[in-house]
Amino acid sequence: DSGVTQTPKHLITATGQRVTLRCSPRSGDLSVYWYQQSLDQGLQFLIQYYNGEERAKGNILERFSAQQFPDLHSELNLSSLELGDSALYFCASGSGTRDTGELFFGEGSRLTVL
Amino acid sequence: AQKVTQAQTEISVVEKEDVTLDCVYETRDTTYYLFWYKQPPSGELVFLIRRNSFDEQNEISGRYSWNFQKSTSSFNFTITASQVVDSAVYFCALTPTSGTYKYIFGTGTRLKVLA
Repeated sequence: DSGVTQTPKHLITATGQRVTLRCSPRSGDLSVYWYQQSLDQGLQFLIQYYNGEERAKGNILERFSAQQFPDLHSELNLSSLELGDSALYFCASGSGTRDTGELFFGEGSRLTVL
Repeated sequence: AQKVTQAQTEISVVEKEDVTLDCVYETRDTTYYLFWYKQPPSGELVFLIRRNSFDEQNEISGRYSWNFQKSTSSFNFTITASQVVDSAVYFCALTPTSGTYKYIFGTGTRLKVLA
């Protein structure tokens, strides 16, 4: 158990809809990362937050947005969903400091868009 | 620019064979971390190892060993006497130790260990 909690684990929805994925980082971690893994694809970095502020942005679509709340949990909002958005969405947490480097991943939220 | 290349998309071995997964990286940063993660069929990503760019010593953990060579920008992972439970997708990743802490992952190598 990595200590990172993601909900929901599975989600099936229709094109055009909007969903919210939730992530609770490990206790003590200030940094949250979101990654997208499409079928047989690698991990695409979407966005990173550190202590409530956006720190880095990757290939995140304009239809997607995220935020990190004061209690450090994070939400990834996906709107106007398309078939191609079907993927496994991972949240990872880390200390965000220079002393440690590894990320700890949640089990992922598998999104299926029909 | 930073990049991680895992040229082997899929490898199949028979149980008890040794197998090496290749990872080549590019970075202009002078200090960085390298990682390996395992993604078993269940889907979660499991951290295996972190290596600081200052430390080029090889590391061994049970049947796993890692060979870091800065001169060739490689961080290869060897599994000795492979087992069926080693079947997974393995990802190599890179991040600088300063800056935005953007983690760059390779595309992964799918390892199939056949009984």
